[in-house]
Amino acid sequence: GEDVEQSLFLSVREGDSSVINCTYTDSSSTYLYWYKQEPGAGLQLLTYIFSNMDMKQDQRLTVLLNKKDKHLSLRIADTQTGDSAIYFCAETPESQGNLIFGKGTKLSVKP
Amino acid sequence: DGGITQSPKYLFRKEGQNVTLSCEQNLNHDAMYWYRQDPGQGLRLIYYSQIVNDFQKGDIAEGYSVSREKKESFPLTVTSAQKNPTAFYLCASSRENSPLHFGNGTRLTVT
Repeated sequence: GEDVEQSLFLSVREGDSSVINCTYTDSSSTYLYWYKQEPGAGLQLLTYIFSNMDMKQDQRLTVLLNKKDKHLSLRIADTQTGDSAIYFCAETPESQGNLIFGKGTKLSVKP
Repeated sequence: DGGITQSPKYLFRKEGQNVTLSCEQNLNHDAMYWYRQDPGQGLRLIYYSQIVNDFQKGDIAEGYSVSREKKESFPLTVTSAQKNPTAFYLCASSRENSPLHFGNGTRLTVT
């Protein structure tokens, strides 16, 4: 079945880069997504990548996709305290319209 | 402004009572979704609807019911049959082959 795995915690110092990793199982996923959740709020779409791409850059965010290894990463450059949140990786199984989410990585940014 | 509105933000009920969570969207999206979020569990799909008057069970539909009488609205009823109803509930909507957009969630506490 489909499954998305992420490490649960990541701690970095302000100004450093953060790299959040994710592995997924459904090779037919058309898009892969990164969402951000701040405390008590809904999920905010950060970025997404089409499965035929291997990299996408958007300001401080860089997404890398290794389709062979089914590995997705999100790099946040110059991490700020405002980046502290839970980050969810998600895939879209071909047979469904919904997303399959990982359990989320809690990013803590220390000043 | 277009968006997804979930109400109320906080909801308290006594055990044994049914409760209905509201979700309204003005994005003209065909598909709508309900997810449940528990600490450390990520998001799990309860129900989804890809078109008016039609909906499908997700991974954890037991103890829940939905209706989709209008495109804009997808209310979720948490019934007394749901054994552990206390959770954070997130509603989302999307166009076909597009990212999900989320509401800000309803935190339900049942005592």
